[in-house]
Amino acid sequence: AQSVSQHNHHVILSEAASLELGCNYSYGGTVNLFWYVQYPGQHLQLLLKYFSGDPLVKGIKGFEAEFIKSKFSFNLRKPSVQWSDTAEYFCAVIIASSNTGKLIFGQGTTLQVKP
Amino acid sequence: NAGVTQTPKFQVLKTGQSMTLQCAQDMNHEYMSWYRQDPGMGLRLIHYSVGAGITDQGEVPNGYNVSRSTTEDFPLRLLSAAPSQTSVYFCASSRQGAANYGYTFGSGTRLTVV
Repeated sequence: AQSVSQHNHHVILSEAASLELGCNYSYGGTVNLFWYVQYPGQHLQLLLKYFSGDPLVKGIKGFEAEFIKSKFSFNLRKPSVQWSDTAEYFCAVIIASSNTGKLIFGQGTTLQVKP
Repeated sequence: NAGVTQTPKFQVLKTGQSMTLQCAQDMNHEYMSWYRQDPGMGLRLIHYSVGAGITDQGEVPNGYNVSRSTTEDFPLRLLSAAPSQTSVYFCASSRQGAANYGYTFGSGTRLTVV
């Protein structure tokens, strides 16, 4: 079964610092990858997704992620974080050929941005 | 469009009580799923459905039942609540081909079992 691992559980940054959150998955076949964000007290929102084409994908609010197939990774980046980026971030994966729609999440990374 | 609607938003149960968490979507999505969110564990899949009349177990199905009699509704039943089921529950839906579209999530139900 596929699984997702997020290495950083809690990240604290100052405003304007650069961000990179790690995500690795375990599955040998083709996968589709997602990053979701959960702002305090809110539900999950889709930040960006990758399913084919350019491995560098851009999402909302200046976030981007790079899919590196050889490393089974899909790391999330942002050049300069803002206080409003304080949230929990989840990486998730679906097997591309699956007709079950099973979306499997990582453990999540809590990002705290200090003003 | 209302999207994915979950009720109630908050609930306190006593051990052994049963209840149903409601989930409804108005987007005609074929796929629906239930997750529980616990600190440090991310979101874990409880049950999922690929269409009316079709459900299957996820990673942590024990203690929960689901049914999908209509495309719109996907209720989650706790048969006999236990403190270990204290969690935040999220319902999500997607068009068929969730791999490409991703899921839309409801606002969650915070359940406490005492």
